[in-house]
This record gives sequence, structure tokens and C-alpha cells, in this order.
Amino acid sequence: SAVISQKPSRDICQRGTSLTIQCQVDSQVTMMFWYRQQPGQSLTLIATANQGSEATYESGFVIDKFPISRPNLTFSTLTVSNMSPEDSSIYLCSSSHTEAFFGQGTRLTVV
Amino acid sequence: DQQVKQNSPSLSVQEGRISILNCDYTNSMFDYFLWYKKYPAEGPTFLISISSIKDKNEDGRFTVFLNKSAKHLSLHIVPSQPGDSAVYFCAASAKSGAQKLVFGQGTRLTINP
Repeated sequence: SAVISQKPSRDICQRGTSLTIQCQVDSQVTMMFWYRQQPGQSLTLIATANQGSEATYESGFVIDKFPISRPNLTFSTLTVSNMSPEDSSIYLCSSSHTEAFFGQGTRLTVV
Repeated sequence: DQQVKQNSPSLSVQEGRISILNCDYTNSMFDYFLWYKKYPAEGPTFLISISSIKDKNEDGRFTVFLNKSAKHLSLHIVPSQPGDSAVYFCAASAKSGAQKLVFGQGTRLTINP
């Protein structure tokens, strides 16, 4: 298994600002994933973060809105840019071994 | 287009009885399936998984059954305990292992004493 630390655990942000979420894994992993869980909804994959290359975004998500960094095999960041109330969600990072393990999530509220 | 569906948003079960959570999928390319448990303010916790080459996998009180022809899987918890009260998500992957996961909407399980 892997231990994944994610911060901040929650934040309240003004619309138009940006927030960077950090994700640290306790072991080296090839791929890390960023998910979003909107209120009352399921988890939706935003992008796959690979070390040494640009992130791969799922349909409906773009790099300008959700830039991702992956500087090494244990760390990744997701930025939510130019936020609006519709971005209020829980953002989760995960790493994949045989099973995917998740961080505790970042609960973002945009006002 | 919801490729993984959990049609029951909630389920209430008496302590000690069996809890059965259901999940349906539409994508024939899915070959690996997982169940996660989620408490409020925490990330999903992996429970149990099954590969498409199997039809059953058991781990303690948890058993997952896969019916490929019906594109259906279920999670059985027996006996159910109060600590099992949580939201349960079914997830599927089209690649070996848990790569990009597609999640169902979740089922809120409540175990009554």
C-alpha cells in the first residue's frame, strides 16, 4: 500500500483566485491521478500526471484551468485557476500500484 | 454517459445481517473492478478488487462477485457491523491494475444496531 498526504485539507477561496493542491506519496510511483468529486456526485478523473512529461487530461478538463506539475516520482501539484463557485468540490489525488490509493482530499469552497 | 452505475443511492441493513451492494457497467473493455469505502472528510479506502478472469474474490467479511455476461458486480458484507456505515463506490478500469478509474455514483450504507 501507499500513504498519500494531501494539503491543504480544506480551503475557502475568493472567485477569480487560484489554489494549488499538493500531493506527496511515501514511495516512488510512475503515475499519479487527480480526481474531482462535486457535491453529491461521483469521482471524476481530471488528469493523469506522469513524471517527465505533460499531464494527460480527460475530456472536459483543460491545462489552462487545471495545470499540473509532476517534478519527481513522489510529488505532484494541481492548481485550480481562476476559480468560480462551480469549482467548489473535493479534489483527490491517487497513486496506482495494483490498487489505487487516495489522499484524504481537499475540500474547496469558492465564494 | 454513465459507464459505471450504482442504482441504489442508499441501503439500510440490520447489524449482523448481510449487506449487498450492486454495480452495473456498460463498457466491455473494463477488465478490473474495485470497491472503495469512503467516510466523510476522508479519501476513498480500497476494500477489495476483482479481475475479469475471475467471478469471485473473498477477503474476510467482504466478497465481490462478477457476472461478466450481465456486466454486473456486487459486494457482499457479512456480517454487517456498525463501522461499515459509509459510502461505497464501485470503480472500473480498462487496463490491467487500477489505472484510470471510472467510478459509480456511490451507495450510502447504514448499519442499524
